[in-house]
Amino acid sequence: SQTIHQWPATLVQPVGSPLSLECTVEGTSNPNLYWYRQAAGRGLQLLFYSVGIGQISSEVPQNLSASRPQDRQFILSSKKLLLSDSGFYLCAWTNLVNVLTFGAGSRLTVL
Amino acid sequence: LAKTTQPISMDSYEGQEVNITCSHNNIATNDYITWYQQFPSQGPRFIIQGYKTKVTNEVASLFIPADRKSSTLSLPRVSLSDTAVYYCLVGEIYNQGGKLIFGQGTELSVKP
Repeated sequence: SQTIHQWPATLVQPVGSPLSLECTVEGTSNPNLYWYRQAAGRGLQLLFYSVGIGQISSEVPQNLSASRPQDRQFILSSKKLLLSDSGFYLCAWTNLVNVLTFGAGSRLTVL
Repeated sequence: LAKTTQPISMDSYEGQEVNITCSHNNIATNDYITWYQQFPSQGPRFIIQGYKTKVTNEVASLFIPADRKSSTLSLPRVSLSDTAVYYCLVGEIYNQGGKLIFGQGTELSVKP
């Protein structure tokens, strides 16, 4: 069966520090991968999506970037975090009928 | 991409049937409608998906009228554990890799 792993689960970072969130999917090949962010009490904002290695589409230009170095690995990064980057980050993949399966999420607090 | 509109919040009581409607006036021919449920501090999880008429599974029913400009998620006999945010999402299911954008969702509160 397919599983999705996301880490770290929580992190507290100072303003201006770098960020790296990782997501890996097991049990499937060539998944479509997504990064979403959810601010406190808000809806899901699509950040990036990828259809294959090295192929990244950005929805919200900002100080975040994404990379897909391997087929089932999706990384969200930032060189310098802002206070507004705080939130709940969710990685997801889609199956053949575009149903999203989400990871457990990474809660980021920027101080 | 079809934009979706849902009520921001709904209240219900245990044992009642709850119907949450989603409007998607510019739905395309190839678009399907998918509903998700999200609990606090968790990722959304799939509830049901449909194209037209009625779809039913062990959790919910999905009603889609002939013009497909709206859909209704029906939760039979809700319990306290159904308190969550519900999202409808419209998109091509066979358009692999397309952007999947959520609307604002409906926060359902079930009271005893």
